[in-house]
Amino acid sequence: AQKVTQAQTEISVVEKEDVTLDCVYETRDTTYYLFWYKQPPSGELVFLIRRNSFDEQNEISGRYSWNFQKSTSSFNFTITASQVVDSAVYFCALSESGGGADGLTFGKGTHLIIQP
Amino acid sequence: DAGITQSPRYKITETGRQVTLMCHQTWSHSYMFWYRQDLGHGLRLIYYSAAADITDKGEVPDGYVVSRSKTENFPLTLESATRSQTSVYFCASSEQTSGGNNEQFFGPGTRLTVL
Repeated sequence: AQKVTQAQTEISVVEKEDVTLDCVYETRDTTYYLFWYKQPPSGELVFLIRRNSFDEQNEISGRYSWNFQKSTSSFNFTITASQVVDSAVYFCALSESGGGADGLTFGKGTHLIIQP
Repeated sequence: DAGITQSPRYKITETGRQVTLMCHQTWSHSYMFWYRQDLGHGLRLIYYSAAADITDKGEVPDGYVVSRSKTENFPLTLESATRSQTSVYFCASSEQTSGGNNEQFFGPGTRLTVL
């Protein structure tokens, strides 16, 4: 069965520090998709990134970057020069099916607190 | 307005009552999902649907019923609400393309309290 582990329940850093959120996944499929979502204090879920299992290239989007390593089944998320607005709960998620119909398996989330 | 909406946004009910949470999307996405979010559990899939009249159970379906007579609507019914069903419920939708599993777009959530 598929599983996503976010071992860091809560992380607190001072503004402008870099921070990495860990995500480890388990799946038997060779084709799968990994996602990160952000849930700010307002409660909505905001999509950040999707990565398929055949694309191990790291991705950078502004201050955000993602490191996908199949060898360690990890899909970590780094925020560079963190800002107070980055404070949120971040979820890593996994989808095994090729059809998109089976839903996402979420980790329990990491609560990131950026202190001014 | 375009997007995915949920109603009501907040609901308080009593144990044993039937409650229906509504979800509506305007993108004509094929896939729709219901999740519940509980502290310490993240989000867990309740039910999902690949198209109108096609639904299937997720991880935690007990006590819930869904239907999908129209592509744009995916109501979730708690037939006899229990306190353990106190949660925040999120509806989501996505579309399948040749590129594989696309991201899911989430509604704003419904906060349900069962007394």
